[in-house]
Amino acid sequence: ETGVTQTPRHLVMGMTNKKSLKCEQHLGHNAMYWYKQSAKKPLELMFVYSLEERVENNSVPSRFSPECPNSSHLFLHLHTLQPEDSALYLCASSQDDPGQGISTNSPLHFGNGTRLTVT
Amino acid sequence: AQKVTQAQTEISVVEKEDVTLDCVYETRDTTYYLFWYKQPPSGELVFLIRRNSFDEQNEISGRYSWNFQKSTSSFNFTITASQVVDSAVYFCALSEATNYGQNFVFGPGTRLSVLP
Repeated sequence: ETGVTQTPRHLVMGMTNKKSLKCEQHLGHNAMYWYKQSAKKPLELMFVYSLEERVENNSVPSRFSPECPNSSHLFLHLHTLQPEDSALYLCASSQDDPGQGISTNSPLHFGNGTRLTVT
Repeated sequence: AQKVTQAQTEISVVEKEDVTLDCVYETRDTTYYLFWYKQPPSGELVFLIRRNSFDEQNEISGRYSWNFQKSTSSFNFTITASQVVDSAVYFCALSEATNYGQNFVFGPGTRLSVLP
């Protein structure tokens, strides 16, 4: 299997539930990302992991908790979410040069996303 | 701060028409990269092209072409002889350097509808 795979594709959860989103990349990349895409809003970066270390947390509420056990897998653990958290959650990966302080040309490769509905 | 603007929120064209999607960016970096992505109804963002700030040559790939003009900070995307399968949301993005690698700044997207 190639590319970036996300599961589940669709998720409906209540505000008191706990669930997890899973992302797996088969591209040998060293950086993974979570983005949130809400209706009529630009893509919002949530978390970045580079070499399995979290390097960016874009002021995301603590009800979202990421986990990156290795360079191929990324999880987003969800608990006590709010209805406004309903959105498309996209995972992406890229091959970066961390610490170089230069912009690289490695594109992001995205998964199909998980459509989350919080009721 | 970096910023990407896509002034066209939605565009509708009839099949076989040409259409241009506009992208204007702001950055203080001298070295940066620009990208276009396509998001069909399935949800996945598909990478289309990248361009670095030192290469202002226009590029053509089949029915797609890109016009990069550094003087106006624009990176416009033209689809020639559009087809229904081109219907999607198109995002322009700018890559900026950070201490952890790169950070992408996305525009708000342009929804293109190609009618039969």
